Amino acid sequence: DTEVTQTPKHLVMGMTNKKSLKCEQHMGHRAMYWYKQKAKKPPELMFVYSYEKLSINESVPSRFSPECPNSSLLNLHLHALQPEDSALYLCASSPKPPGTAVTEAFFGQGTRLTVV
Amino acid sequence: GQQVMQIPQYQHVQEGEDFTTYCNSSTTLSNIQWYKQRPGGHPVFLIQLVKSGEVKKQKRLTFQFGEAKKNSSLHITATQTTDVGTYFCAGRKAAGNKLTFGGGTRVLVKP
Repeated sequence: DTEVTQTPKHLVMGMTNKKSLKCEQHMGHRAMYWYKQKAKKPPELMFVYSYEKLSINESVPSRFSPECPNSSLLNLHLHALQPEDSALYLCASSPKPPGTAVTEAFFGQGTRLTVV
Repeated sequence: GQQVMQIPQYQHVQEGEDFTTYCNSSTTLSNIQWYKQRPGGHPVFLIQLVKSGEVKKQKRLTFQFGEAKKNSSLHITATQTTDVGTYFCAGRKAAGNKLTFGGGTRVLVKP
């Protein structure tokens, strides 16, 4: 299995809703990431998990809450989002832990989120 | 903070022609990666360059890492309609796990 799987593919939520995005990989990768991508813009890093521990938080608002239950799963909990948070949310994973030889990121298909 | 810039932002290419996209970092990089994102798709890894002056080829694509490890280029020869998409470079500083993406070059191919 060489895929990063994200669910759901599309999500529409109201500003008072609570929802979660899920990401799964079974490649034994030890680093996992959340990126946000607006239309016609590059992916922007939100969070990095290394060995299931949060290692980077790019000053993301607290209405986004990441969680890494185990080495294969990564969640992003959403609460009280704003319309400007509408974007493509991409999960990615890398084989090697931080500080070691560089390695490529494998991206999931993304969740296209619309906040109404 | 680290900035990675790409030019041009848009590239309209006649099918069969060559083009080059350039990537420049404000800081020295430990490595640079290139990704391709098709319209409506997700970024897909193309290549990774690590050594100063490194050149790698993948069929019609040639990737180069500058001597100072602050810039890179992607050259595509004999462009095909399948080359349509946005090409991102992404740089990583030494011993870090943060990949900073350039703004991307959006490639449109005229048949």
